[in-house]
Amino acid sequence: RKEVEQDPGPFNVPEGATVAFNCTYSNSASQSFFWYRQDCRKEPKLLMSVYSSGNEDGRFTAQLNRASQYISLLIRDSKLSDSATYLCVVRNAGNNRKLIWGLGTSLAVNP
Amino acid sequence: DAGVIQSPRHEVTEMGQEVTLRCKPISGHNSLFWYRQTMMRGLELLIYFNNNVPIDDSGMPEDRFSAKMPNASFSTLKIQPSEPRDSAVYFCASSAGTNGGQPQHFGDGTRLSIL
Repeated sequence: RKEVEQDPGPFNVPEGATVAFNCTYSNSASQSFFWYRQDCRKEPKLLMSVYSSGNEDGRFTAQLNRASQYISLLIRDSKLSDSATYLCVVRNAGNNRKLIWGLGTSLAVNP
Repeated sequence: DAGVIQSPRHEVTEMGQEVTLRCKPISGHNSLFWYRQTMMRGLELLIYFNNNVPIDDSGMPEDRFSAKMPNASFSTLKIQPSEPRDSAVYFCASSAGTNGGQPQHFGDGTRLSIL
């Protein structure tokens, strides 16, 4: 089982739709969680961190469920510019605090 | 502000040749990361440095790969000899702090093709 798993998609949604992605992680001691966004042939960029109580940034909402070991990303009122790959990232606990990256979920927002 | 700067942007070379990728992190950042990205395996951490010191190189595929960070503003990733399976996009990233909690800022990447 991979340490971080995501549905690769693609998710095809119309403009204005609400779409949600989930990501599961295997290490129950993982400490930090992030969503990064990567456009085609570009570098990953931090979208938002995920906090235990859940957090919102404009149209984007991130939630963490430690009991079930998953995080989610909800995008409301999706825009054409939201089309990208969304990478789920988990930071290990302990001395080695490197980030573990999911393979990403592809989103295409259509006019 | 200048972001992470990588060079070259593209590299095409024949197998067996030495390849050197370069990275200049964001000024003031203490951590530097080298990643490789392929369609099949996604983003894989190769090695990371804290304050110029290599902390974890367990992701380096084999002895053909080596990385150095001689000072706070420069790092290299070298492949010698290169093989076709090394073809990928190689990203360098840097972050402030050394506890892993800060976001990572990525360079534009080097697209490497080994023929």
